[in-house]
Amino acid sequence: GQQVMQIPQYQHVQEGEDFTTYCNSSTTLSNIQWYKQRPGGHPVFLIQLVKSGEVKKQKRLTFQFGEAKKNSSLHITATQTTDVGTYFCAGRQTGANNLFFGTGTRLTVIP
Amino acid sequence: DAGVIQSPRHEVTEMGQEVTLRCKPISGHNSLFWYRQTMMRGLELLIYFNNNVPIDDSGMPEDRFSAKMPNASFSTLKIQPSEPRDSAVYFCASSSDRELSQFFGPGTRLTVL
Repeated sequence: GQQVMQIPQYQHVQEGEDFTTYCNSSTTLSNIQWYKQRPGGHPVFLIQLVKSGEVKKQKRLTFQFGEAKKNSSLHITATQTTDVGTYFCAGRQTGANNLFFGTGTRLTVIP
Repeated sequence: DAGVIQSPRHEVTEMGQEVTLRCKPISGHNSLFWYRQTMMRGLELLIYFNNNVPIDDSGMPEDRFSAKMPNASFSTLKIQPSEPRDSAVYFCASSSDRELSQFFGPGTRLTVL
C-alpha cells in the first residue's frame, strides 16, 4: 500500500541554523502538500507542489518536488523559534481525493 | 469563515461508553476527512466522504467505529463501545475539488479511562 516516510523524525537546531526534512513516497504522486502543526494545534496547509522538479519558496521556506515525483523536501533557512512544530508532507495519487500523510518531522528550535 | 468546527474539544469517558464526535466542514467544501493522531501511530486517515458519500473507510480500526454524513454541513464519528486504546486526538478536515488543500478543525482530544 501507499507509504510516505519522512526523515528525520526529530530535529533539534540552534536558532539561526538551517533545517531540512525529507519526504519519500513508495509510489509516484500526482502532487504533494506540506502542513505544519504547532504543539497542541492542528495541521495547517503550507503549500502544494504539482510539477516534476518544482521549487517553491515562502520567505525562509523552500519546498522541492523530485523529478520522479516520489520525493520532496522542505528547507528552512535561519530557523526562528516560531518555526517550532511538526512538519508533515502529504501525497496524493492521481484521481484520488485523499492524502497520505507522512510520519512527520518534529522541529525544536533552541533559542 | 469560521473554519472547520469540531465538538466537543475534549472528551473524557469510561471504557465501554459510547462516544460521538461531531464536525461541521467549511461551507462549500464537498470532501470531509476524519483522522486520528497518536504519538505511536502518527496521523491516520480513518474515513473520508465526497459529496456526503463514504469513499474510503479502510482506515476505520474495527466495527466499533462508524461515521456518517447525513448532509453537506455535518458529520459524526461514533465509537461504541469505547476502549482505552481509542484515546487520541481526532481531527476532522474538509476540502473542495477546486483547491484540494485540506483545512483541519481544532480536533477532539478523547481520553478513555
